[in-house]
Amino acid sequence: GAVVSQHPSRVICKSGTSVKIECRSLDFQATTMFWYRQFPKQSLMLMATSNEGSKATYEQGVEKDKFLINHASLTLSTLTVTSAHPEDSSFYICSARPGRAPVGYTFGSGTRLTVV
Amino acid sequence: AQKITQTQPGMFVQEKEAVTLDCTYDTSDPSYGLFWYKQPSSGEMIFLIYQGSYDQQNATEGRYSLNFQKARKSANLVISASQLGDSAMYFCAMSPTSTSGTYKYIFGTGTRLKVLA
Repeated sequence: GAVVSQHPSRVICKSGTSVKIECRSLDFQATTMFWYRQFPKQSLMLMATSNEGSKATYEQGVEKDKFLINHASLTLSTLTVTSAHPEDSSFYICSARPGRAPVGYTFGSGTRLTVV
Repeated sequence: AQKITQTQPGMFVQEKEAVTLDCTYDTSDPSYGLFWYKQPSSGEMIFLIYQGSYDQQNATEGRYSLNFQKARKSANLVISASQLGDSAMYFCAMSPTSTSGTYKYIFGTGTRLKVLA
């Protein structure tokens, strides 16, 4: 079945540093990927839509300069949290959809980011 | 504005019994999709079932079925013969149908299901 691989699964970084999270579609091509953020015991909030070969589309209230998204190939999208602060600590998860049929999206396993 | 409402923050069910997780939605889009996902404690999101707004029949996938009542704007998930492995967080999601094939989800707040032995 379709697999989306997300790395790292957990990362701890110091305030002020940058962290890159990778999202790869392993057995299908994904022109569009989505990045979500989930606070503890809360729902997933869409941050941005990553488009292969073009700029990402950010949701209202999401800082473009803080959350840099690059979708350089049909199988890889990256989210870089720049100048991380403790309030950026969260669970980040990406998703992509194999094929065009309206079936559910495949999600990565998520990245738990802790900024200390 | 689009909105998904899950009014049950937590549910308990006895093993082997059926359970219904509620989901209501609000949208002005004429065509949309409704989805249910399962999130175990490990964090990954597992797709369970999909219902299109124009589908005449309720969707079923194994032990999962979606009780779709369009007039009431509800899309409840029914899990039959609950198993201990069903214990997880369950999210209802909605997306307007897109001609480009891109579905932009709005998620509900989730229901935590605990299956009792």
